[in-house]
Amino acid sequence: EDQVTQSPEALRLQEGESSSLNCSYTVSGLRGLFWYRQDPGKGPEFLFTLYSAGEEKEKERLKATLTKKESFLHITAPKPEDSATYLCAVQGTSYGKLTFGQGTILTVHP
Amino acid sequence: DAGVIQSPRHEVTEMGQEVTLRCKPISGHDYLFWYRQTMMRGLELLIYFNNNVPIDDSGMPEDRFSAKMPNASFSTLKIQPSEPRDSAVYFCASSFTGYNEQFFGPGTRLTVL
Repeated sequence: EDQVTQSPEALRLQEGESSSLNCSYTVSGLRGLFWYRQDPGKGPEFLFTLYSAGEEKEKERLKATLTKKESFLHITAPKPEDSATYLCAVQGTSYGKLTFGQGTILTVHP
Repeated sequence: DAGVIQSPRHEVTEMGQEVTLRCKPISGHDYLFWYRQTMMRGLELLIYFNNNVPIDDSGMPEDRFSAKMPNASFSTLKIQPSEPRDSAVYFCASSFTGYNEQFFGPGTRLTVL
C-alpha cells in the first residue's frame, strides 16, 4: 500500500526566512510525485509533478526536488501570501490513484 | 476554461436524508475523481471514472455511497441515507489522462446533523 508522510505538520516562518517541507513516501513503482497548495475553503491547486530521482522544478519562490525516498519543497524568501497548506501525493502502479499526505500548514508572518 | 465546477458549495442536512453532490469536469478531460477530506483522514480517493465508466470504487466507504457519470460533462455522488460521520468536504477533480496532474474543484462542504 502506498504511503506518504509529510513533515513538519505546521511551520511558522518570518517573511524572508527560507525553509523546506519534507515528503517521505513508500510506493511500488513511482509514476509521479505531485505537490499541491490548498488555501482555506478552496480545493487543492496543482504546483509540480516530479517523475524521477534527481529531478527539480521551480516556480517563483518554490523549488521541488525528488530522491528515491523523499521530496522536498524549498521556499526561498517567503511572503505572507505563501501561507497555505502544502500537500504531497504519489502515484504508483495503480493507474489514476493518488495517495495524499496529511499536509504541512505553512504560516508566513510579515 | 472555468475549471472544475461543483454544486452545491455547502449542504446542511439531517441524518437519514438523501444528499446529491454534483460535478462538471474540465472539458476534454477523460478522468474524473471524487475525494473526501476530513481533519482525521486527510484527502481520500472515493471513486474514479475513465470515459464515464467507473474504474475503481474501492474507496467508497459503504453501500450508502453511490456515484454515476451519465455523460462526459456531469457526475453525481449520492449518499443515502446520510449519517453525521459523512460530514466532510467532498472534492471532484479531473485530469486529461490517468497519469497527469488532477485539477480540483472548490469542494462541497457537507454537514449532516
